[in-house]
Amino acid sequence: AQTVTQSQPEMSVQEAETVTLSCTYDTSESDYYLFWYKQPPSRQMILVIRQEAYKQQNATENRFSVNFQKAAKSFSLKISDSQLGDAAMYFCAYRATGANSKLTFGKGITLSVRP
Amino acid sequence: GAVVSQHPSWVICKSGTSVKIECRSLDFQATTMFWYRQFPKQSLMLMATSNEGSKATYEQGVEKDKFLINHASLTLSTLTVTSAHPEDSSFYICSARESGRANTGELFFGEGSRLTVL
Repeated sequence: AQTVTQSQPEMSVQEAETVTLSCTYDTSESDYYLFWYKQPPSRQMILVIRQEAYKQQNATENRFSVNFQKAAKSFSLKISDSQLGDAAMYFCAYRATGANSKLTFGKGITLSVRP
Repeated sequence: GAVVSQHPSWVICKSGTSVKIECRSLDFQATTMFWYRQFPKQSLMLMATSNEGSKATYEQGVEKDKFLINHASLTLSTLTVTSAHPEDSSFYICSARESGRANTGELFFGEGSRLTVL
């Protein structure tokens, strides 16, 4: 079974600085999807970034980028120029490529941003 | 596009009553929807996979008779918590996969429904 591990329960970053959230996963599949979701206090799940395992290039979305290391099964999220609005819970998630495949989440990490 | 709406967003009920939560895909068809449960400061735990026109697939440890799921159309799935008890109080979230499009892997989430059982 696939597992997603986020070992850091909390992190803090100074506004305008850069922070990296770590995530590892375990799977026997060769092709799959990886995601980072943000959950602010409203609890709406917001997709931050998506990575397809067959793509070697790391995904980027504005201030958000990932370091995808397929062999190491590592998928970290880097937030540059941190803003107060980035404060939230962040979940790393894995999904196989099957149409009805479920999304498996890590335990999440609470990110706080210091002004 | 790709909006998923849940209703109600917040509900309080008495112990022993049943509560229905709706999950609608507003601008796309969803053959498959997923129901999650989330306790405060914890991750989302998958409860069941809802498939249009067929029985839902429940995760291990989830009571089928307690959490009834109906996916009667391509845009609506419902979760009914039967004979609710205080321990059923939680945040319930649905997500949906858009059918008929190239599989990008992405699921779209509803806003969630907070259930409080007194």
